[in-house]
Formats: sequence, structure tokens, C-alpha cells
Amino acid sequence: DAKTTQPPSMDCAEGRAANLPCNHSTISGNEYVYWYRQIHSQGPQYIIHGLKNNETNEMASLIITEDRKSSTLILPHATLRDTAVYYCIVRGDNNNDMRFGAGTRLTVKP
Amino acid sequence: SAVISQKPSRDICQRGTSLTIQCQVDSQVTMMFWYRQQPGQSLTLIATANQGSEATYESGFVIDKFPISRPNLTFSTLTVSNMSPEDSSIYLCSVEGQGSYEQYFGPGTRLTVT
Repeated sequence: DAKTTQPPSMDCAEGRAANLPCNHSTISGNEYVYWYRQIHSQGPQYIIHGLKNNETNEMASLIITEDRKSSTLILPHATLRDTAVYYCIVRGDNNNDMRFGAGTRLTVKP
Repeated sequence: SAVISQKPSRDICQRGTSLTIQCQVDSQVTMMFWYRQQPGQSLTLIATANQGSEATYESGFVIDKFPISRPNLTFSTLTVSNMSPEDSSIYLCSVEGQGSYEQYFGPGTRLTVT
């Protein structure tokens, strides 16, 4: 599976959009981009995933660049409860397990 | 989605002893996964457990230290054997959703070895 690079930490003001970047320059054609988050003392929670098109659900939007070498997770109106570690994971469609990197610790401030 | 429970939620154990962690899912799933999260670190995959076959262990993890059982499609156990303080971690199980690529995680078992 391709490796991902994320900034170790980010801050965001409450009510503003949080944009979390992820680089995955070695991604191959059949690999998806997944985002999970882990709120303190809980198991990771699925947020969203995509292959090449931008995706949106009730939690977030995922923007994937045309060359697929990077992506951005957008939380449109961050709340204090969005404070968590966010993991960007690249996984092929023939793999079943998730390989977690270090993630980005997002702190939403009042 | 799948709802996953783990027992115990936390435990404090003495070195040299063993602890068995249980993972129960509310639906039948083919594959279950066990992860370890050491203090302040990310998650590391220990092994993949399919029902009816031996678990597949990742590099650095061996069956003698982390034996896994998978007796049916809704249950699995992970045993941490002959524990040392370095085994102090959160242990999480996860499953893949039926017909989807999402993985669902249990709440984790926080283990402290003294």
C-alpha cells in the first residue's frame, strides 16, 4: 500500500472549515483514499473514502487532486467535538486491513 | 454498520501473566482484525483472523505471544501472553462492513502491565 504524509498537528477555530491535507504521491490506480478519526480514548471512526472523484457525506468532503497524489479532508463547520487525530490511509481494493500512519492531531478552539 | 464490543474495557495485570480479550460483533463478518496502540502512538496491525483458519500475523507479532481464536463469525479473542510492561497498550478489534470497504472498530481494551 502507498504511504501517506500528513502534518502532525493543526488548529482550527470553531465554526470555521478545517482543511486537512494528505500527500500520497506513490498511490497506484486501484488504491482508495480513506479518512478515519480517533477521538481521545475511543476506537477509530470511519469518515469518508474515495478513488478519484470528490466525495461528500454528512460528516465531511474529500477532495482528491486530478493526479491523485494528494487529497484534502474538509470539515465544513468544525465544532469542539471534532477535536481528534485524523488518519489518511491508502488501501488497495484487494486488501482488507487498514495501515495507520501518524495522523494529524486537529484541535478545534473556541 | 457493525456494533463491536470488547471485554474487558481495561485491566491492570502483573508481568508474567496472560490476559484474554474478547471481541463480539452484532453481525456475521468474514474478517476480523486486531490492532495495538501503544501510548501516544498510532495503530499497528497485529493479525487478521478469519473464521475457520489460522490467523495471519504481521511482522513482529507471533502466535506464541498473541494467540488468537475465531470460533465463529461474530466472535474472536486475543490473548496477550507472558506479559511485560512493554505490552501496556490499547488493543482494538475491528471488522469490515458487509458489502463495503469501511472498517468498524471496537472501543478498545486498555491494558496496563505492572
